[in-house]
Amino acid sequence: NAGVTQTPKFRILKIGQSMTLQCTQDMNHNYMYWYRQDPGMGLKLIYYSVGAGITDKGEVPNGYNVSRSTTEDFPLRLELAAPSQTSVYFCAGGTGYEQYFGPGTRLTVT
Amino acid sequence: QKEVEQDPGPLSVPEGAIVSLNCTYSNSAFQYFMWYRQYSRKGPELLMYTYSSGNKEDGRFTAQVDKSSKYISLFIRDSQPSDSATYLCAMTFSGSARQLTFGSGTQLTVLP
Repeated sequence: NAGVTQTPKFRILKIGQSMTLQCTQDMNHNYMYWYRQDPGMGLKLIYYSVGAGITDKGEVPNGYNVSRSTTEDFPLRLELAAPSQTSVYFCAGGTGYEQYFGPGTRLTVT
Repeated sequence: QKEVEQDPGPLSVPEGAIVSLNCTYSNSAFQYFMWYRQYSRKGPELLMYTYSSGNKEDGRFTAQVDKSSKYISLFIRDSQPSDSATYLCAMTFSGSARQLTFGSGTQLTVLP
């Protein structure tokens, strides 16, 4: 099993552009999460999903959208990118109180 | 005040030392407590999780939770250079959708 995979690994966006960060898991996890990690700030929850078709906002959802049409995929959409969205984005999946993280996407908005 | 406080370090210890990493929290409703290890430019990796108060041991790692003091600890015995990483504590409520609240992480370097 590959676990949680994320693409792309790196991306540079111009202000106002849009993009989708992809996340796929092959462990049949019901729960999936998107976090962002800024230097020295820990991880902050953007959105989460408890199953296909069900999503909800986390602590910092503004400027982002998600969908969960299948158990495996949980893409994160950035509309109108802003410099404040420069960060490392992690997707995670889990079935209980254990969450397993992907390798991350480093995003720079200039 | 942050919900979860963690000393950012950096912390440097010689190989073989016992390392103590700590977090304090303010919300007494937290019941599940986790420790993650994050190597540079990698995703966090779950080390251990505990429920409510008490100790849990896994090899060289011991997690302790003191709910009365709102204080959790991770001890690493016989530390190795491969333990050099950032350690993140995290916690959540019982019955939630498992949304974790993270500390900011402690950067540990184990010197050979």
